[in-house]
Amino acid sequence: AQSVSQHNHHVILSEAASLELGCNYSYGGTVNLFWYVQYPGQHLQLLLKYFSGDPLVKGIKGFEAEFIKSKFSFNLRKPSVQWSDTAEYFCAVGNTGFQKLVFGTGTRLLVSP
Amino acid sequence: DARVTQTPRHKVTEMGQEVTMRCQPILGHNTVFWYRQTMMQGLELLAYFRNRAPLDDSGMPKDRFSAEMPDATLATLKIQPSEPRDSAVYFCASDTGLGAGSGELFFGEGSRLTVL
Repeated sequence: AQSVSQHNHHVILSEAASLELGCNYSYGGTVNLFWYVQYPGQHLQLLLKYFSGDPLVKGIKGFEAEFIKSKFSFNLRKPSVQWSDTAEYFCAVGNTGFQKLVFGTGTRLLVSP
Repeated sequence: DARVTQTPRHKVTEMGQEVTMRCQPILGHNTVFWYRQTMMQGLELLAYFRNRAPLDDSGMPKDRFSAEMPDATLATLKIQPSEPRDSAVYFCASDTGLGAGSGELFFGEGSRLTVL
């Protein structure tokens, strides 16, 4: 069965700081990887996804993530955060085929102006 | 603008009462998921359906929870009897079910349940 670990539960940054959120997954087969974002009071939205090809994927709003197969990791990065990036970020792994997505417990990011 | 619609958005009820949450997936999406979000557990997958057939409901407490898709435009999640520990936000999501070709879930706004 798939599982996802997000080690940082809460992150506080100042505007313009760089961001890296960790995500590690456990699954023996081929996986699809996702980052979703949940802004305060809103539903989850897709930030970016990785299926195959270039392990560095770029998403919306300047976010990117790198798939490192040997480390079972898919860390999310942004070089310079903004106050509007305050949200909860979820890493998710899906098994190819049925696309059952398993989510990590989430990381709450607070960006102070 | 296609979206997943959930009702009710908020529900406050007393312990022991029956609660039914409804979800209308995006037209043409054939896979529907129910997730529960709590502070302690994060997002937990309760059940999911493809072409209205349940594929996995192992995340759902069987004694009090039930999930159905009476038709392609309606998914329901029922709790009977409800308990305070069921208080959470319940999200419905749908996708096209194309497998590796898609993988993007479209989430509803959620149903916030409070059981007193």
